[in-house]
Amino acid sequence: NAGVMQNPRHLVRRRGQEARLRCSPMKGHSHVYWYRQLPEEGLKFMVYLQKENIIDESGMPKERFSAEFPKEGPSILRIQQVVRGDSAAYFCASSRETSYEQYFGPGTRLTVT
Amino acid sequence: TQLLEQSPQFLSIQEGENLTVYCNSSSVFSSLQWYRQEPGEGPVLLVTVVTGGEVKKLKRLTFQFGDARKDSSLHITAAQPGDTGLYLCAGDPGTASKLTFGTGTRLQVTL
Repeated sequence: NAGVMQNPRHLVRRRGQEARLRCSPMKGHSHVYWYRQLPEEGLKFMVYLQKENIIDESGMPKERFSAEFPKEGPSILRIQQVVRGDSAAYFCASSRETSYEQYFGPGTRLTVT
Repeated sequence: TQLLEQSPQFLSIQEGENLTVYCNSSSVFSSLQWYRQEPGEGPVLLVTVVTGGEVKKLKRLTFQFGDARKDSSLHITAAQPGDTGLYLCAGDPGTASKLTFGTGTRLQVTL
């Protein structure tokens, strides 16, 4: 599978639990982006990472949310102490180092009960 | 904050009809992408336009980037049920980083 991979596709968490969302970029892509799509709303940028570096996290809530893209392994978006308002579809996209074209994964649908 | 407004929001047409979707902003973008998203899936990249006035064709889809690089349009000729989906434009401000997405146009094509 040469596309962007995300897992899990669906995640259910109770309020107060932690959610971990994983993203493996396309082969050859070194840039990863996370976006959130709330019900009936558009896609909103959260964070942009390169290997071992956070480049732009201007769209990420200051509390409870964190992201990483380690040297080895997938990018992780972590949400601590989830609340109902965190229920959304979270999409990861990747691009080549010098490209403006972003390719999206299938998303992780988080439901907080 | 850069905003991208799409119109119309919803469009329901019959197979064989033509349609145009608009994506407008007061900001300049260095490039603009069009995506199509189906329920339960991620956006799929259709095209990228970079140069002001550029026109790109993808089978029955024609994409145009405005001369001033502030707006874009997507024209579909002879729509088919397979064209049904959510169409999103997304602008890159020039840093090759975060995309600003439009409000979306939900298209339904019926037989």
